[in-house]
Amino acid sequence: GNSVTQMEGPVTLSEEAFLTINCTYTATGYPSLFWYVQYPGEGLQLLLKATKADDKGSNKGFEATYRKETTSFHLEKGSVQVSDSAVYFCALSDTSNTGKLIFGQGTTLQVKP
Amino acid sequence: EAQVTQNPRYLITVTGKKLTVTCSQNMNHEYMSWYRQDPGLGLRQIYYSMNVEVTDKGDVPEGYKVSRKEKRNFPLILESPSPNQTSLYFCASSVEEGAMEQYFGPGTRLTVT
Repeated sequence: GNSVTQMEGPVTLSEEAFLTINCTYTATGYPSLFWYVQYPGEGLQLLLKATKADDKGSNKGFEATYRKETTSFHLEKGSVQVSDSAVYFCALSDTSNTGKLIFGQGTTLQVKP
Repeated sequence: EAQVTQNPRYLITVTGKKLTVTCSQNMNHEYMSWYRQDPGLGLRQIYYSMNVEVTDKGDVPEGYKVSRKEKRNFPLILESPSPNQTSLYFCASSVEEGAMEQYFGPGTRLTVT
């Protein structure tokens, strides 16, 4: 079945450091890929998305490129801020017409001043 | 403001005492679903609904029931809660199944003792 694997956390960075959170997936068909962010005490918010191979999603300085050849969708940001501290989830749209999102286990990011 | 609301936000209950977690969206979305979030497992879908009176099981439906009598509401019912249902629950909605973005509620933290 379809699945998503994220790098284990927590990830601790200093402000202005470069961020990479790895995400790889297994899927049949052609899923869309997403990154969701969960700030403390809140629900998940869509951060960015990509719908087909080689698409790059971007938002708030974050980027991720849909790489079909490596089945990856790594999240990157050039310079993190304390306000980026949150849990980040990689997800894919299940290809079985259930509307389901399949999530990775989440990666906690802590940015220190 | 477009939003998904859930109530209650926090609930501590005892084994076997029936409870209902409500979910409501004001965006006229057709598709709604429930997820549970557990450490190290990400989010897993419990039930989903394509439209009024149309519901189906997700990946972890055991011990849960849902109903969709109105488009805006999608309550999650635990007839006889057990400690393994202690979790963080999220309701989500989208315009339709397969839509690019799902909107999440703020979450309900349930503890069953």
